[in-house]
This record gives sequence, C-alpha cells and structure tokens, in this order.
Amino acid sequence: GESVGLHLPTLSVQEGDNSIINCAYSNSASDYFIWYKQESGKGPQFIIDIRSNMDKRQGQRVTVLLNKTVKHLSLQIAATQPGDSAVYFCAENGEGVDTGRRALTFGSGTRLQVQP
Amino acid sequence: DTEVTQTPKHLVMGMTNKKSLKCEQHMGHRAMYWYKQKAKKPPELMFVYSYEKLSINESVPSRFSPECPNSSLLNLHLHALQPEDSALYLCASSQESSWDEQFFGPGTRLTVL
Repeated sequence: GESVGLHLPTLSVQEGDNSIINCAYSNSASDYFIWYKQESGKGPQFIIDIRSNMDKRQGQRVTVLLNKTVKHLSLQIAATQPGDSAVYFCAENGEGVDTGRRALTFGSGTRLQVQP
Repeated sequence: DTEVTQTPKHLVMGMTNKKSLKCEQHMGHRAMYWYKQKAKKPPELMFVYSYEKLSINESVPSRFSPECPNSSLLNLHLHALQPEDSALYLCASSQESSWDEQFFGPGTRLTVL
C-alpha cells in the first residue's frame, strides 16, 4: 500500500482556465504569508505575499486571498499557462507557539498540472 | 545581482566522508538560512544566521555544522551523515530578518550512500 505523504495533492487544469490553490494554516500568531512556486530541480520562487492587515492582494495574473477567521489562504492564477506547472507552497511567517521565534513554515504543497 | 548561488549542484558522499555545501549572495542581505527538503515534502528550516551569528538551530543533529564566514557566504559542513540525510539542501537569504522576503538558491541535491 501507499505511505501517507508520498503524493502531493494535484490540481489539473486546462490552459487558459483559472486555477485556485488553497492552503490552511495553523498558527494564529502568523502575520505574514507567502506563496512560492517550485519547479522541478529548482529552489522555491516567490510569487506573492500578504500581510495580516489585508485580506486580498493582486499581482500580475495572481491574487492571494486571506481569511484570518478560518485561517485559510488561497492563490488564484488567471489564464493559467503551461509555464505555471509546478508545485505551489504557501508559507506562514510568525512567532512559533513553542519557540517564540519568528520563522517561515511551509505548507505541504500542491502540484499544478496545466494541460495544453 | 538578485541571485543566491549554491555549490555543488549535486553531491554523492559516503557515510564516513566530510564535505561542505556552499551558498553565496551579493544582495547585501544580513539574514541567511539553510533548509532541508525531502522528495515531495515542503522545505524545513534547519538554521538561521542573522548578522553572521547563528540565531536559530532547529534541533539539527551535530553531524550538520553551519558556518557563516562573512555576510555573503554560508557554509554547511557535513560529517558522518546517514542515508536518511539524502535530500535537497536549500539556502536562502533575506534583507535583515525572517520578516523579510526570502530569496532561495537552486539547492544542492545530496545523496548519502
């Protein structure tokens, strides 16, 4: 049988469609959130960030929505292109409950596959 | 220059070897980080250096030894590693602290035999 955690959740979309990738975070003290894109064989690449005093931020073709009430973050990619195919990680930046130190903690990631 | 560079790109080592990973940035950043990333998993923080001083060690085994010789360079010395240490090791830097955007290097793919 399969071991838990060996397979990333995958979102498959058609080229030109909009994509929505969701993320739940756990630390109520987190006040800065970032979305990263990681292509195969590369390090994570910054896409967009949002501070906790905002609930929406837009970039070029990307929008991040933050719902602090339910501790939920989403990344919307408009008119998805084959070059958007990658693993997407949300990351929360805040003081750790146990450590009291500020650090970046990554979510588990979602693989986006764009079908031409 | 907005790049973080890492060498080597790939490294294969035996359990008795001593090797080092190197990271360099010329953005004037004063915070530098080492992360470990296993396949299909998110990066996990190992160490943080702030103004060339170790500020966070996330309970990493002593077989990993970080070093920050100056504000542009970060090394990770490896000794007596285990096969389960095989992973992608990522370096990142940010302007001053974890509050700032982190820029990641491409990583070193490490295989321990």
